[in-house]
Amino acid sequence: AQKVTQAQTEISVVEKEDVTLDCVYETRDTTYYLFWYKQPPSGELVFLIRRNSFDEQNEISGRYSWNFQKSTSSFNFTITASQVVDSAVYFCALRGGTNAGKSTFGDGTTLTVKP
Amino acid sequence: EPEVTQTPSHQVTQMGQEVILRCVPISNHLYFYWYRQILGQKVEFLVSFYNNEISEKSEIFDDQFSVERPDGSNFTLKIRSTKLEDSAMYFCASREGRRGEQYFGPGTRLTVT
Repeated sequence: AQKVTQAQTEISVVEKEDVTLDCVYETRDTTYYLFWYKQPPSGELVFLIRRNSFDEQNEISGRYSWNFQKSTSSFNFTITASQVVDSAVYFCALRGGTNAGKSTFGDGTTLTVKP
Repeated sequence: EPEVTQTPSHQVTQMGQEVILRCVPISNHLYFYWYRQILGQKVEFLVSFYNNEISEKSEIFDDQFSVERPDGSNFTLKIRSTKLEDSAMYFCASREGRRGEQYFGPGTRLTVT
């Protein structure tokens, strides 16, 4: 069984603050994929990043960075110098390496960035 | 850039009516999915489809639900007799290969009154 836990239900920060969204996962698959999605108020799921289980290299993309720690089964997401436009619900997701490969989502973290 | 499309964007129906949600996956993709998101909740897996058959389905996907790929381009989700609790955003997704990226459509918001 797969499980994704996003312990932070809501986070509120002031613009320009750094913020880290936590994600902890459980899976029995040896090969799996981790994702972060952003869901703005309009409702669509915006893909942010994918990480393969065999690649623990951390990644930075502009103000976004991701810290994948296989030893602690965590895949945390940091936004540096947050902006109002970053306000959204953020979902962490896990997909197993099997053929069916369904994605299991966490409950989401609602991030509010205040001006 | 290729994308998954879904129609309609919003559908309102009365309880007990049948609805069909339509999706056009990316053309060379082989794996297809439906997910559901009740308002304010997380995205939940409904069903996966590969090689013209269901690969896996969740407990949510009961006899009221069915999926079909009628013509090689569309991928549909049918709910036979809608209930109030079927009100949700329904996302279609497709994936090219086993290790490929899963692309989500923009969703169809279903409102059952």
